[in-house]
Amino acid sequence: GAVVSQHPSRVICKSGTSVKIECRSLDFQATTMFWYRQFPKKSLMLMATSNEGSKATYEQGVEKDKFLINHASLTLSTLTVTSAHPEDSSFYICSARGGASPLHFGNGTRLTVT
Amino acid sequence: QQQVKQSPQSLIVQKGGISIINCAYENTAFDYFPWYQQFPGKGPALLIAIRPDVSEKKEGRFTISFNKSAKQFSLHIMDSQPGDSATYFCAASSGAGGTSYGKLTFGQGTILTVHP
Repeated sequence: GAVVSQHPSRVICKSGTSVKIECRSLDFQATTMFWYRQFPKKSLMLMATSNEGSKATYEQGVEKDKFLINHASLTLSTLTVTSAHPEDSSFYICSARGGASPLHFGNGTRLTVT
Repeated sequence: QQQVKQSPQSLIVQKGGISIINCAYENTAFDYFPWYQQFPGKGPALLIAIRPDVSEKKEGRFTISFNKSAKQFSLHIMDSQPGDSATYFCAASSGAGGTSYGKLTFGQGTILTVHP
């Protein structure tokens, strides 16, 4: 079946650096991808919606200059956490849908900022 | 109005028992109600979903009951197994099949522990 792949699964970076997370749809064209953030033992909070070829739509309270989202192709969306700080440490999860394909989630990326 | 409230926060069930998790929503525009299972360090996986035109949907050991007038829905796990131990999330979205499909509002989650 359809699979959404996220990379990397874990990343540790130093405060002040930027980190890029990739979300790929492996066997379907993802016209829309969603990015979520999840704190330990908490729910998933939608950060932004990205449609292929257009600017992402951010949820209220999410800094678009901090969390850069690019959806340049029908199989790839990227989330870049710019100038990361320890409070950005979290579990980031993408989901994707397209055409007749149901919604699929990636396996998440654990970001730790030291 | 976008909230989905989930209870209980945690649940302990004996093997073979029934696990019941409840959710309530406020936004009457919601028209798609999925339940997700999440294991530690993994993304959520869809278990079962329902639309408001039916009151119940069953898939294997998993059943969703839906009460449109009360704006509530619940997940029942029959014959619960230790392998079912995970975090369960209810969710809701509007615009099924449209551009909003997939933009989910999640409940707070329920940590289910099934003892052998």
